[in-house]
Amino acid sequence: AQSVTQLGSHVSVSEGALVLLRCNYSSSVPPYLFWYVQYPNQGLQLLLKYTSAATLVKGINGFEAEFKKSETSFHLTKPSAHMSDAAEYFCAVSEGQGAQKLVFGQGTRLTINP
Amino acid sequence: DTAVSQTPKYLVTQMGNDKSIKCEQNLGHDTMYWYKQDSKKFLKIMFSYNNKELIINETVPNRFSPKSPDKAHLNLHINSLELGDSAVYFCASSQSPIGYTFGSGTRLTVV
Repeated sequence: AQSVTQLGSHVSVSEGALVLLRCNYSSSVPPYLFWYVQYPNQGLQLLLKYTSAATLVKGINGFEAEFKKSETSFHLTKPSAHMSDAAEYFCAVSEGQGAQKLVFGQGTRLTINP
Repeated sequence: DTAVSQTPKYLVTQMGNDKSIKCEQNLGHDTMYWYKQDSKKFLKIMFSYNNKELIINETVPNRFSPKSPDKAHLNLHINSLELGDSAVYFCASSQSPIGYTFGSGTRLTVV
């Protein structure tokens, strides 16, 4: 069965600092991996996705993530945090073609300090 | 606008009542879903329909009954509401595992 673990339920960084949100997955077949962002009282917005093409994936708002099969990781990074990045971030896994279910991690709340 | 739209956005109701949440997508997707986000923000799939056929039912109490009249609509009916049903319910649709679109959610509060 698939699972996702996000290390750190709460991450706090200063404005302009590097953002690193950690995600490790477990899957019996090559996975599809996703990062979603949820702003307060809003729905889920897709940041980026890995679908077995390039291992370094670029997304919206300056975020990127790198798929590392040997480490079963898909960490999300952004070189310079902005106040508007404050939100809840979710990593999710789907077992590839034909498998429609997304399994989510528990989420990481990102706080940006001025 | 192309989107997944849910109604209502907020729903406050008493224990024991029956309520429905509606979802519609105009993206032409074949598959629709209901996800539940609990008070700790944890998201979990409840149901999935593909072209009106139920394909995923994740051990949800049978007080919850999804209905898909056509592939553009997936409604969720909840009988005999309990305090523990309070959550945010998200509808979503996809054409493949890589093309999910989520609605903006329905915040259900049972008092």
